[in-house]
Amino acid sequence: GAGVSQSPSNKVTEKGKDVELRCDPISGHTALYWYRQSLGQGLEFLIYFQGNSAPDKSGLPSDRFSAERTGGSVSTLTIQRTQQEDSAVYLCASSLAGPSYNEQFFGPGTRLTVL
Amino acid sequence: GENVEQHPSTLSVQEGDSAVIKCTYSDSASNYFPWYKQELGKRPQLIIDIRSNVGEKKDQRIAVTLNKTAKHFSLHITETQPEDSAVYFCAPDTGRRALTFGSGTRLQVQP
Repeated sequence: GAGVSQSPSNKVTEKGKDVELRCDPISGHTALYWYRQSLGQGLEFLIYFQGNSAPDKSGLPSDRFSAERTGGSVSTLTIQRTQQEDSAVYLCASSLAGPSYNEQFFGPGTRLTVL
Repeated sequence: GENVEQHPSTLSVQEGDSAVIKCTYSDSASNYFPWYKQELGKRPQLIIDIRSNVGEKKDQRIAVTLNKTAKHFSLHITETQPEDSAVYFCAPDTGRRALTFGSGTRLQVQP
């Protein structure tokens, strides 16, 4: 079946503009995660959705970042008033249930460049 | 929160040699210990995982060992091949929130 997909694959924007990144998880996966990966760096946790529970937003770096997940499926990560330090690859992952004992399947990522 | 450290940060081995990467964690409630591999320009993928009730798990050339008392687990790769070159991430999990990934170990296998 189809894996996790993300769009766009690349996004170039100007400082101060808002951007929206989209993630389509694997069908039937109840858990969805957003991570950020700067060049040559590790995976920085941003936000985690699990079913109908309130999302874990503890990783969001500032109030310019927000995310929603509609209908328990597609998720959108929004970055308002983008800054140059927001430039990174944004990875989405999904898993069948919560993180324990469940493999996370990653999407190809969206490479965001803020000029 | 969980503090996760990986060592070494970079590792270079000759083809055919073994490689060992160690991950230490702080939360004694951690009960699931996966390793992810990320090849250059690609997405991370799970390569092996272990649960807290098991001390060792092996899958062909890769194995993971767990020491819950000392709060560390290790990835072992034997008979390394050039295609093993990648960044490896550990991600110990307590089940209470999303995984905390280690900072990664860049493995380079020299042919």
